[in-house]
Amino acid sequence: SQQGEEDPQALSIQEGENATMNCSYKTSINNLQWYRQNSGRGLVHLILIRSNEREKHSGRLRVTLDTSKKSSSLLITASRAADTASYFCATDKAAGNKLTFGGGTRVLVKP
Amino acid sequence: GAVVSQHPSRVICKSGTSVKIECRSLDFQATTMFWYRQFPKQSLMLMATSNEGSKATYEQGVEKDKFLINHASLTLSTLTVTSAHPEDSSFYICSAMRDRLHQETQYFGPGTRLLVL
Repeated sequence: SQQGEEDPQALSIQEGENATMNCSYKTSINNLQWYRQNSGRGLVHLILIRSNEREKHSGRLRVTLDTSKKSSSLLITASRAADTASYFCATDKAAGNKLTFGGGTRVLVKP
Repeated sequence: GAVVSQHPSRVICKSGTSVKIECRSLDFQATTMFWYRQFPKQSLMLMATSNEGSKATYEQGVEKDKFLINHASLTLSTLTVTSAHPEDSSFYICSAMRDRLHQETQYFGPGTRLLVL
């Protein structure tokens, strides 16, 4: 079963705007990861944040993690049409353990 | 980077037939591979964990006799959908995990779309 929920389920923004999506999970975790999936394609790994980290950056991506609230957020700054995709968070309970995915957020960036 | 391939990318079969999907890690040895299923506009649901040289571990509700998994080498895992039915139509995605040093990241294949008529 899915570990958590993502919100919003869908997000539509204009190119250049920021996109923020949130992920909540239910049990303690080792790491939380964010993935992107273009329609009908496989997943691309975006960023991993460890349970002892609070914030991480990678290019236009910013991820936060609040283990007290069991939640994480992904911010995409200065969005581009190419960022249109579904974004999933995934958690694992231990290194090398299976991933449990959130429901995903479908992001549409309009040019 | 680590590359994972799947074959075929798309398959259409008749109800009652069996379909085999291959998952290969192209430039690394994968100690563990995972098989997921994804229905339209839904998230990925883990079906089973496949370890090289041992039996796969199936998630609750996944029939091991229907979804046969073989991980015969460190670069290849196969998923066979036996006696496929229309409700098995879905997007099947595999992922591979490298050695213990890199165990935190799974590398995903491009997926296989199965349509059972």
